[in-house]
Amino acid sequence: SQQGEEDPQALSIQEGENATMNCSYKTSINNLQWYRQNSGRGLVHLILIRSNEREKHSGRLRVTLDTSKKSSSLLITASRAADTASYFCATLGTGRRALTFGSGTRLQVQP
Amino acid sequence: EAQVTQNPRYLITVTGKKLTVTCSQNMNHEYMSWYRQDPGLGLRQIYYSMNVEVTDKGDVPEGYKVSRKEKRNFPLILESPSPNQTSLYFCASSLSSGVADTQYFGPGTRLTVL
Repeated sequence: SQQGEEDPQALSIQEGENATMNCSYKTSINNLQWYRQNSGRGLVHLILIRSNEREKHSGRLRVTLDTSKKSSSLLITASRAADTASYFCATLGTGRRALTFGSGTRLQVQP
Repeated sequence: EAQVTQNPRYLITVTGKKLTVTCSQNMNHEYMSWYRQDPGLGLRQIYYSMNVEVTDKGDVPEGYKVSRKEKRNFPLILESPSPNQTSLYFCASSLSSGVADTQYFGPGTRLTVL
């Protein structure tokens, strides 16, 4: 079964608004990563948060991790049309040697 | 430029005709892996390699083979492709021998098996 599940599956917002995506997972993890994918192209790493971290920032991105709830959120502030893409969370389970990806959130930012 | 390359980018083939998708990285990464991406299922790992001559099965290895004879290359082999292997395939690499680091993805290979 999928380790990471994103919510919502799709999100449409206006340029300038904030976008929040959530990821839930089932087992203990070493780290959680967020990736972005433009239509039909390769994934690009956005940010990695380790299990002992609670929040991390990178430019307009803010990621939180709540290991007690087995959940993470990705916040994109002041969104731009160029942020339109699919966003995936990926978890590295404890003792695992493979990332497990969720099915993604499709973000549409209207200009 | 640091990158992961895949070839071919697009391939249409017929059932049973052996094919190889190549993957190469120029970053001296130890860890390489293959994923397939299907609608609604996200990315699922097929095989991975911790280093030269060290490979292991991922979550969906059936119908695939890999080899890691050189550090930079990690080809994916479909000995007898079937229609259920129609998918978008990605190769990825990371610096360390584990998978805890950032994964760098190739541009993808869209495979159609008729």
